[in-house]
Amino acid sequence: TQLLEQSPQFLSIQEGENLTVYCNSSSVFSSLQWYRQEPGEGPVLLVTVVTGGEVKKLKRLTFQFGDARKDSSLHITAAQPGDTGLYLCAGVGADGLTFGKGTHLIIQP
Amino acid sequence: SQTIHQWPATLVQPVGSPLSLECTVEGTSNPNLYWYRQAAGRGLQLLFYSVGIGQISSEVPQNLSASRPQDRQFILSSKKLLLSDSGFYLCAWKLSDLTDTQYFGPGTRLTVL
Repeated sequence: TQLLEQSPQFLSIQEGENLTVYCNSSSVFSSLQWYRQEPGEGPVLLVTVVTGGEVKKLKRLTFQFGDARKDSSLHITAAQPGDTGLYLCAGVGADGLTFGKGTHLIIQP
Repeated sequence: SQTIHQWPATLVQPVGSPLSLECTVEGTSNPNLYWYRQAAGRGLQLLFYSVGIGQISSEVPQNLSASRPQDRQFILSSKKLLLSDSGFYLCAWKLSDLTDTQYFGPGTRLTVL
């Protein structure tokens, strides 16, 4: 069974600070996806990273896929209250998507 | 454009009662369809998926079942709910086996008392 560990589980910071959250696995994935989920809603796909070492930027969000395609990180610069939510990573493998438990992020004004 | 609907949005049911949750997709044909459950502290757990009408694959043995009576309709059912069935149920679709991107519905919050 493939497992994805996300850390930290909870993170509360002030508006304007930077942060990094992590997604780690002992398994290799063909690609990895990051989702953001707001309370009472379904997850929304942010990005898919495919190549080992790949870096993708989405405005203030920077996503990196590890060289071995086992881990990924999400870095947010100058966090804003609108970034608040549950950030989920999902590994794409032969059996479909495997989700981590997520990082609950709160950005305080 | 494609849209996905789930209903009801919230549901409170007593233990032992039946369950029927519905998911429909618009704007696409022959999608792959998925049912997930999201419980506190446990992440998204895949329950069922379907690649076509009448084709259901179960990922986790339990007292839930799924059916796909029409191309864009996916139903999650139970004959007798358990307390442990409480959670946030999400339906998702993707275009085909050639893509990895899944699109999620708004979810149903189920509380079993």
